Amino acid sequence: AQSVTQLGSHVSVSEGALVLLRCNYSSSVPPYLFWYVQYPNQGLQLLLKYTTGATLVKGINGFEAEFKKSETSFHLTKPSAHMSDAAEYFCAVSEKGFKTIFGAGTRLFVKA
Amino acid sequence: SQTIHQWPATLVQPVGSPLSLECTVEGTSNPNLYWYRQAAGRGLQLLFYSVGIGQISSEVPQNLSASRPQDRQFILSSKKLLLSDSGFYLCAWSVQGAWEKLFFGSGTQLSVL
Repeated sequence: AQSVTQLGSHVSVSEGALVLLRCNYSSSVPPYLFWYVQYPNQGLQLLLKYTTGATLVKGINGFEAEFKKSETSFHLTKPSAHMSDAAEYFCAVSEKGFKTIFGAGTRLFVKA
Repeated sequence: SQTIHQWPATLVQPVGSPLSLECTVEGTSNPNLYWYRQAAGRGLQLLFYSVGIGQISSEVPQNLSASRPQDRQFILSSKKLLLSDSGFYLCAWSVQGAWEKLFFGSGTQLSVL
């Protein structure tokens, strides 16, 4: 069965600092991996996804993530945080079916 | 372009009352449809998904049910709400054959008191 673990329910960084949000997954087959962002009282938006091919995936708003099969990880990074990045971020996994399973989420705080 | 509508945005209901949340998708045909619940401090839990009219798959046994009376309409219901049904409910859709990208509605904040 597929599952997702996000390390850290809250992450706080200073504006301009590196953002690193951690995600580990479990899947019995090569997974599809995703990062979604949720702003307050809104639905989720897709940031980026990994399906096949290049393991470093670039998404919107300067975010990127690297699929590391040996570590079963898909961590999200951004070199320089902006105040507008403050939101909740969800890692998700899917085994090429109809179901996408989400992690518990990590709330990112950005300090001025 | 495709859009997804979910209503109401907020809802306060007493314990034991019925529930009906509606979601419609425009601009596409035969979408996959999903209901997720986001409880306070927790991630998203997949409740139901549907690949076609009248086809509903339930992921978690619970006090809720779902129906898909029309191709682009997905309804979440309950006959008697429980306190534990409180949460943020999100409807989502994906394209048949391109299921890996989900498009979410703006959500319904349900408070059961």
